[in-house]
Amino acid sequence: GESVGLHLPTLSVQEGDNSIINCAYSNSASDYFIWYKQESGKGPQFIIDIRSNMDKRQGQRVTVLLNKTVKHLSLQIAATQPGDSAVYFCAERADSSYKLIFGSGTRLLVRP
Amino acid sequence: NAGVTQTPKFRVLKTGQSMTLLCAQDMNHEYMYWYRQDPGMGLRLIHYSVGEGTTAKGEVPDGYNVSRLKKQNFLLGLESAAPSQTSVYFCASRSTGSTEAFFGQGTRLTVV
Repeated sequence: GESVGLHLPTLSVQEGDNSIINCAYSNSASDYFIWYKQESGKGPQFIIDIRSNMDKRQGQRVTVLLNKTVKHLSLQIAATQPGDSAVYFCAERADSSYKLIFGSGTRLLVRP
Repeated sequence: NAGVTQTPKFRVLKTGQSMTLLCAQDMNHEYMYWYRQDPGMGLRLIHYSVGEGTTAKGEVPDGYNVSRLKKQNFLLGLESAAPSQTSVYFCASRSTGSTEAFFGQGTRLTVV
């Protein structure tokens, strides 16, 4: 079946550096792609989304890039902070089915 | 405004026992979801609901049943628990047209 997946299971970065978390998707029918952050012992929390007809969207310290040609999604975090340490999930929303399908996640570790 | 509340937070079941997990949201959201998250894994969709009185199967529905008798509540039932159902269960809700799902704090279920 169609699914959303990730390239890297763990990413370790130095505090202050930029982080890039990647995701590959296979369902071209999805209308939105979303990034969630999950801290230890908590439920996932929405970060940012991007509509399928966009290439880039910026938020506060985060940027999401969508490359539909290669079905690739990335989340860029500027000036990574210790509080950014968490597991990051990409997800897709297929509007016609109302489902939110999640990928397997990448753990981000920020070194002091 | 409590958001999404899951009951209970922890539970240990013996194989073959039944139980019901309760999810309650006070945001008047139409859509509600039940996910399971196994250690080091992503979230897999069990069942979801697009409104009061409606439910649909997700990616891994076998062994679970759900009901949405009231808009604010979404119940997940295990009729005969199996060790393979040991997991952390998350409930989420979102409003129509939004990609931002709000998650509960999770229910850690162990089946022995």
